[in-house]
Amino acid sequence: ELKVEQNPLFLSMQEGKNYTIYCNYSTTSDRLYWYRQDPGKSLESLFVLLSNGAVKQEGRLMASLDTKARLSTLHITAAVHDLSATYFCAVDLRRYGGATNKLIFGTGTLLAVQP
Amino acid sequence: DTEVTQTPKHLVMGMTNKKSLKCEQHMGHRAMYWYKQKAKKPPELMFVYSYEKLSINESVPSRFSPECPNSSLLNLHLHALQPEDSALYLCASSLQRVTEAFFGQGTRLTVV
Repeated sequence: ELKVEQNPLFLSMQEGKNYTIYCNYSTTSDRLYWYRQDPGKSLESLFVLLSNGAVKQEGRLMASLDTKARLSTLHITAAVHDLSATYFCAVDLRRYGGATNKLIFGTGTLLAVQP
Repeated sequence: DTEVTQTPKHLVMGMTNKKSLKCEQHMGHRAMYWYKQKAKKPPELMFVYSYEKLSINESVPSRFSPECPNSSLLNLHLHALQPEDSALYLCASSLQRVTEAFFGQGTRLTVV
């Protein structure tokens, strides 16, 4: 059974600090996505990581993928309050052919950035 | 237009009711999805449609019945639901497998 685990589940951090969220998964996949969800809202796509060693950056967020270690990280640089949200990684289980994703979401990390 | 539109935004229904959730996208995406999300939990995949055909059913109870009438529309028909089916139901679409799925705002369903 596939497990996608995020660490930590809850993160309270001060503005201006750096931190990393980890996403570990238990099966082979070379496609991983990061999403953000604000309370009561839908999911916003942040990053698409499609190969081993992929690194993407947008503003204060940077995501990376190590398919050999089955690990993705989401690094937050100099956090600001606006980054407060729940962050999900999602592993795509569909490896061969097909036109669709089969996303299995991680447990989620609730990030609270304190002034 | 990068929107996935879901209606209604909120729905309260009794256990004997029949209702439908609707989802629409005009991005030309040929893959569409239904997810269920309980409070403080990650989304769980329910159904996947590819080119208007049901591709994946994640062992969802038959009281949930999906329908894809055309490439832009996705419905979820609900009948004889239980209170534990109360959740946020999210629709998503994607262009192809290697691109991200775009999510709608969701329908918050309460079964009483």
